[in-house]
This record gives sequence, C-alpha cells and structure tokens, in this order.
Amino acid sequence: EAAVTQSPRNKVTVTGGNVTLSCRQTNSHNYMYWYRQDTGHGLRLIHYSYGAGNLQIGDVPDGYKATRTTQEDFFLLLELASPSQTSLYFCASSPDWGGFYEQYFGPGTRLTVL
Amino acid sequence: GDSVTQTEGLVTLTKGLPVMLNCTYQTTYSPFLFWYVQHLNEAPKLLLKSSTDNKRTEHQGFYATLHKSSSSFHLQKSSVQLSDSALYFCALSANSNNRIFFGDGTQLVVKP
Repeated sequence: EAAVTQSPRNKVTVTGGNVTLSCRQTNSHNYMYWYRQDTGHGLRLIHYSYGAGNLQIGDVPDGYKATRTTQEDFFLLLELASPSQTSLYFCASSPDWGGFYEQYFGPGTRLTVL
Repeated sequence: GDSVTQTEGLVTLTKGLPVMLNCTYQTTYSPFLFWYVQHLNEAPKLLLKSSTDNKRTEHQGFYATLHKSSSSFHLQKSSVQLSDSALYFCALSANSNNRIFFGDGTQLVVKP
C-alpha cells in the first residue's frame, strides 16, 4: 500500500513566522499534491508537482511556495504566515496524473498561526 | 472549467436507513469520478471510482452509478451503520488536465 508521511503533525507559529511542511512518499509516484482543508471548503489544491524540480500552481497558491527536491520529497513553505493560513494540510501522491489514478493521502499537518 | 457539486453539507440519519449523497459534475471531457471517505482525525482514502457510463460500482456496501446524461455520480448505501459516520468527498478527473477536483464534502452522521 502506498505510504505518504508528513511532518510535523502539529505546528504552532506566530504571524509573520516562517513554516516549512514536509511530505515524503516512498512509492515512486510521479505526482505529489498539497491541499488545505477547512470546514465548508473541502480540499483545496495549493500546489502540485509531476517530478523533481517541477511545480504547478493550484487553486489557492497565494502566500505559499513549494519545492519538489526529489521524487520522494515535496515541501510547502509559508514565508510570512498569517492567521488565515491556519488549517489542516494534506499531502498526497499518485502514480500518474488524473485519469483513473487514486490519490494517496498523508496523515495531515495541523497548522495554527497565532 | 471542471467542477464538482455536492449539495448537502450535512446528512443525519438513523442506523439501518438508506442514504444517498448527491454529486454532480461539470466537464467537457471524458470524466473519471471518485468517492473518497474521511473518518474523524484520519486522511481521506478512496472508497470507489468509475469511468463507465451506466455501470454500478460497489465497495464496502456503498455503490454508485455514473450517469453521463445527467452528469451525476451519487453515492448510496441501503443500510447505514454507525461506523459510516464520516466526511465524504466526490471528485472528478478529466482528460484535459493533470489534477482532480474535489467537491466541498458531505458530512454523514449516523445515530443509534
């Protein structure tokens, strides 16, 4: 079964702080995704990537940067965190794009910006 | 653009009753539809999927039929259990792009 891990699992920071969320998948999947989940909004796509060095913009990219350093590792960066970025963040991976491929989700990171 | 609509934000039912969670979609391309389930404090995971018109697909007692004529992929179960309480997402993938679109989710609460 596909394995996606995220760290940290919980993070508290202050407004203006820098935060890096990490995601690793060990299944040689090409695609990786960062989502945020907020009540009433479901899963919203922030950024995604189809390989090391590649980055695609999602639906809610403002205030976020991302970097895919290897096939396994995908990072989400908040350089000037704001309270509006308080959310539950999920990373996901899939073997290939769209089509009929299932997305495998990590356990999530709960971020609180004070 | 591509989109998914789930009309119910919250559905509350008594154990043993049938349920239908609505999902409609919009795309001009050939669609692939998914249902994901997320239990409390867990990650979303795939429940079932389909790309075949008018064919019922089933998993873990849940079933759905893709109807391209009405752009729908409703999730059903004949008798809900307490363990079915969860957040359910409908999702769409189409041949035009390399991502999937999630609906806002329907929270299902099953009471004794």
